[in-house]
Amino acid sequence: DAGVIQSPRHEVTEMGQEVTLRCKPISGHNSLFWYRQTMMRGLELLIYFNNNVPIDDSGMPEDRFSAKMPNASFSTLKIQPSEPRDSAVYFCASSLGRGGLNEQFFGPGTRLTVL
Amino acid sequence: RKEVEQDPGPFNVPEGATVAFNCTYSNSASQSFFWYRQDCRKEPKLLMSVYSSGNEDGRFTAQLNRASQYISLLIRDSKLSDSATYLCVVTGNQFYFGTGTSLTVIP
Repeated sequence: DAGVIQSPRHEVTEMGQEVTLRCKPISGHNSLFWYRQTMMRGLELLIYFNNNVPIDDSGMPEDRFSAKMPNASFSTLKIQPSEPRDSAVYFCASSLGRGGLNEQFFGPGTRLTVL
Repeated sequence: RKEVEQDPGPFNVPEGATVAFNCTYSNSASQSFFWYRQDCRKEPKLLMSVYSSGNEDGRFTAQLNRASQYISLLIRDSKLSDSATYLCVVTGNQFYFGTGTSLTVIP
């Protein structure tokens, strides 16, 4: 079975450029999560969707970040414009049910470097 | 105060040792508790859920203390392959990952 799929796996970009990260959750899962992980701050929840609807976006750092989930099998996280402090590993995860009450299955992550 | 706090370690233990990690949480209404394992440069993966009565999976034992608001993970007979970062997760209306505890098992 395919797990959570993320693309790209690595992204190197210059400050000011737009970055789009993509995620395909596990089929049948109805919750999707976007996380950011850095050495300094650990794993931070950015936003989570339930049945394609954003439920909690309080972790989105600022207006430069936006996330969409147009259907049950696809989500994007966009950063525009990107800044060096956005450099991190971005994980997408999916689960059954609502919120974090059940096991979350993580994708391999996107390692973003903003120069 | 952080919602979830973990001792970051690092814990360096010899093979065969027993090691325990704690994770404290601030929201007394929290409902579900988990331990995840994250290997270097990999994604987190569920190690085990934590049940009110405590639960065991082979060499791993997880416990919940609601009165003191902490969960624990005990690893017996440590193996080299146990070297990883262990993250606790506490969920309720919201959910929070701890920053992780680093474990290195030394030959």
